Amino acid sequence: AQTVTQSQPEMSVQEAETVTLSCTYDTSENNYYLFWYKQPPSRQMILVIRQEAYKQQNATENRFSVNFQKAAKSFSLKISDSQLGDTAMYFCAFPPNTGNQFYFGTGTSLTVIP
Amino acid sequence: NAGVMQNPRHLVRRRGQEARLRCSPMKGHSHVYWYRQLPEEGLKFMVYLQKENIIDESGMPKERFSAEFPKEGPSILRIQQVVRGDSAAYFCASSPSGGRADTQYFGPGTRLTVL
Repeated sequence: AQTVTQSQPEMSVQEAETVTLSCTYDTSENNYYLFWYKQPPSRQMILVIRQEAYKQQNATENRFSVNFQKAAKSFSLKISDSQLGDTAMYFCAFPPNTGNQFYFGTGTSLTVIP
Repeated sequence: NAGVMQNPRHLVRRRGQEARLRCSPMKGHSHVYWYRQLPEEGLKFMVYLQKENIIDESGMPKERFSAEFPKEGPSILRIQQVVRGDSAAYFCASSPSGGRADTQYFGPGTRLTVL
């Protein structure tokens, strides 16, 4: 079974500080892709970052980076220099090779405190 | 390049009525996915369509729900005889080729409230 687990329902961080959101997944596949999406109060789902499992290098997009540990099946999102606009729900997503959908975790609600 | 568009953004229906949700994919995208998000939960897959074809409807409830993506026009998610349990946010996503490497781009969602 393909599952995605986010074990932190809520987190908070001071503005300008760094925060890490965790995600683990379960799969028997070797090559796959992982995604982080952000859902601000507007409820729009916005792509934050994407990681390809066969790449050793962790993906980075400006202040967002991942810590991808394939053996541990862990895919954490690090947000540096947190900004008030980062306040949102963050979902980890995994599209298995079988099927066509993304499996989403239950989300982490992040609040950036001024 | 316009993103994925969904309308209406908010829809209120009474029990027993029909709900029609529309989704226009990004330009150049011919693959559409529908997801449902219940309060305090993540998104759950419902159905995957290409133009004029339903490819995977494994997440769709067997009764009252249907989806289409005609040759011309938006994709439609139709819910007949709505019940209170259908109240949720419904998201549409699109991708260019449907492969597992594709990023799915999401619309703003339609929030359905059933009274």
